Amino acid sequence: QQPVQSPQAVILREGEDAVINCSSSKALYSVHWYRQKHGEAPVFLMILLKGGEQKGHDKISASFNEKKQQSSLYLTASQLSYSGTYFCGTPWGDGGSQGNLIFGKGTKLSVKP
Amino acid sequence: DTGVSQDPRHKITKRGQNVTFRCDPISEHNRLYWYRQTLGQGPEFLTYFQNEAQLEKSRLLSDRFSAERPKGSFSTLEIQRTEQGDSAMYLCASRDSFNYGYTFGSGTRLTVV
Repeated sequence: QQPVQSPQAVILREGEDAVINCSSSKALYSVHWYRQKHGEAPVFLMILLKGGEQKGHDKISASFNEKKQQSSLYLTASQLSYSGTYFCGTPWGDGGSQGNLIFGKGTKLSVKP
Repeated sequence: DTGVSQDPRHKITKRGQNVTFRCDPISEHNRLYWYRQTLGQGPEFLTYFQNEAQLEKSRLLSDRFSAERPKGSFSTLEIQRTEQGDSAMYLCASRDSFNYGYTFGSGTRLTVV
């Protein structure tokens, strides 16, 4: 089943914070986060693994709550370069079959000066 | 490491014609994926190869679609008897482990007229 992302869109001013959520109806073993700018390919941000720690780099971090089957992406002190559409992706199969990802519909983030 | 290459970048074809796209993954990556993306949607899984073996195939992939990965290197995706509904961005991605993110190519934009 396709993971559900919220919100669908968010508009920020530079320096503001945002949270993007991703939830699944099935047990998750990992969650991927990608950012796609208009007309470009998605770019991998980070992967969170079951039992792993919260990850982050620069001012973008993410958490993974296995029990609630959800992940959140945190963007702190947003910059203009953060604008784009953010997708979460979850494995298609069960733990033993993680060949491919199902992506959510995306959250469009617009950062204004 | 030159990234994932896709060719052509754009393809316009008449309905009913056959088209073939090529993907060259990162050389060390043994896993290769094809996705399709339409405007405002997340990437939609089509098929997955591990080396030369096609391990998973979406039910969305009708018998007009076929993919190959001879010798576990580059891959081709062929669409026969194209339909207007096939118009989309076709993305190829590769990775070398389930615990790593995808590296996407720039995609092939197909327009069926």
